[in-house]
Amino acid sequence: KQEVTQIPAALSVPEGENLVLNCSFTDSAIYNLQWFRQDPGKGLTSLLLIQSSQREQTSGRLNASLDKSSGRSTLYIAASQPGDSATYLCAVRQRGSGGGADGLTFGKGTHLIIQP
Amino acid sequence: DTEVTQTPKHLVMGMTNKKSLKCEQHMGHRAMYWYKQKAKKPPELMFVYSYEKLSINESVPSRFSPECPNSSLLNLHLHALQPEDSALYLCASSQDPFASNRYEQFFGPGTRLTVL
Repeated sequence: KQEVTQIPAALSVPEGENLVLNCSFTDSAIYNLQWFRQDPGKGLTSLLLIQSSQREQTSGRLNASLDKSSGRSTLYIAASQPGDSATYLCAVRQRGSGGGADGLTFGKGTHLIIQP
Repeated sequence: DTEVTQTPKHLVMGMTNKKSLKCEQHMGHRAMYWYKQKAKKPPELMFVYSYEKLSINESVPSRFSPECPNSSLLNLHLHALQPEDSALYLCASSQDPFASNRYEQFFGPGTRLTVL
């Protein structure tokens, strides 16, 4: 069974710093990996999707990398801002039975606080 | 329109009540999902629908009954719930169940359920 681990569990830094959030998964047979942001009591906002054949994706100040063979992904946040404070979740998608859609398996998240 | 909507936002119900949660998307997505998220935990998959057919049931108790009446609508019928079922229930959708590599999942804001 797929297991997803995120390190660190929590992080508090002053604004302006560049950050690295880590995600690892035990089964490398994934379709893709998605990074999400979740604000307290809210739903999930998709940040980046990396397909299994890709190595990285970028969106604004965010850059995510994927090393499928070693079961690792990294989310890099440049020039952090107080508005980046949230929980960041990593999730992987695998083939479901019958070859169709499968749900996501999530890590426990990194709770990020950016101090003004 | 890249939005998944969920109603109601909040629901309080007794253990003998019957209620339903509703999810809609108008993006033409053909895979829809229900997830359950307990406080300070990651989302956990409950059900997957592919082309309006139930394709995955993650051993969810029968007091939760999903329904997909058409390609835009997903319901979760609730009956005889327990207090431990209190959680945030998240709906998600993605474009094509059989091209899982390319497509991200979009999440709704969730329904906060409290069972008394």
